[in-house]
Amino acid sequence: GAGVSQSPSNKVTEKGKDVELRCDPISGHTALYWYRQSLGQGLEFLIYFQGNSAPDKSGLPSDRFSAERTGGSVSTLTIQRTQQEDSAVYLCASSLIAFFGQGTRLTVV
Amino acid sequence: QQPVQSPQAVILREGEDAVINCSSSKALYSVHWYRQKHGEAPVFLMILLKGGEQKGHEKISASFNEKKQQSSLYLTASQLSYSGTYFCGTAHNNDMRFGAGTRLTVKP
Repeated sequence: GAGVSQSPSNKVTEKGKDVELRCDPISGHTALYWYRQSLGQGLEFLIYFQGNSAPDKSGLPSDRFSAERTGGSVSTLTIQRTQQEDSAVYLCASSLIAFFGQGTRLTVV
Repeated sequence: QQPVQSPQAVILREGEDAVINCSSSKALYSVHWYRQKHGEAPVFLMILLKGGEQKGHEKISASFNEKKQQSSLYLTASQLSYSGTYFCGTAHNNDMRFGAGTRLTVKP
C-alpha cells in the first residue's frame, strides 16, 4: 500500500476482554515496529519484526501481550484480558526509517 | 537502551532558534528525528547515518557526533508550524528506540 495502515483506528473495550490490533506495512518493508504511546508521553517500544521473526520481545509489558507477523507483511498485536492501564495509542511503523501508521487508540473501560 | 533527550520542553517566540539534544549510552549506528503534532502520528524528518554527517530540512538541521554518541537538532528562525513534540530515534541492528520527546511551542 501507499502507507502504513492500522486498524481499527479506535477501539473501546471492556476490561477483561481480548483485543487484536492490525498493522499493514508498506509493501516490501521487511522491518515492522510496534510502539505504545500513553497520553502526553513518549514512544514506548514494544516489539519489532525482521521478516516474520521478532528478535527482541523484551518491550512487551506483560505476558498478556503478544504479536505475530505472517508472510512478512501484516502484523497483529493481541492484548488478552485488557486492563485500564492498557489504554493508549498503539503505533505501528514500517522500515528502519519508521513510517508510522495513524495508530489505534485503545480505550479500556 | 532508550536515548536521552534534552530539554524536555522549549517555548520560543516566532523567529527564535532552538537546539534539541539526543544522547545514547550505546554506540549509535544511525539517528532519526521525527516531529509529532498533537493527535497525529510522528512524521519522519531526517536520518543521519554516520558520524560528522549533517542534514537539513527546511530551516531544521541536525548533526551526528558518533564519538560522543549524540545528535543535535537545530531549529533556526522558528515558525509557528514547528510546534510539536520532537523525538530522536536510535537504531541498533534494526532495533529502534525513541527518546521521551521534547515539546516545542512556538508563540507569535
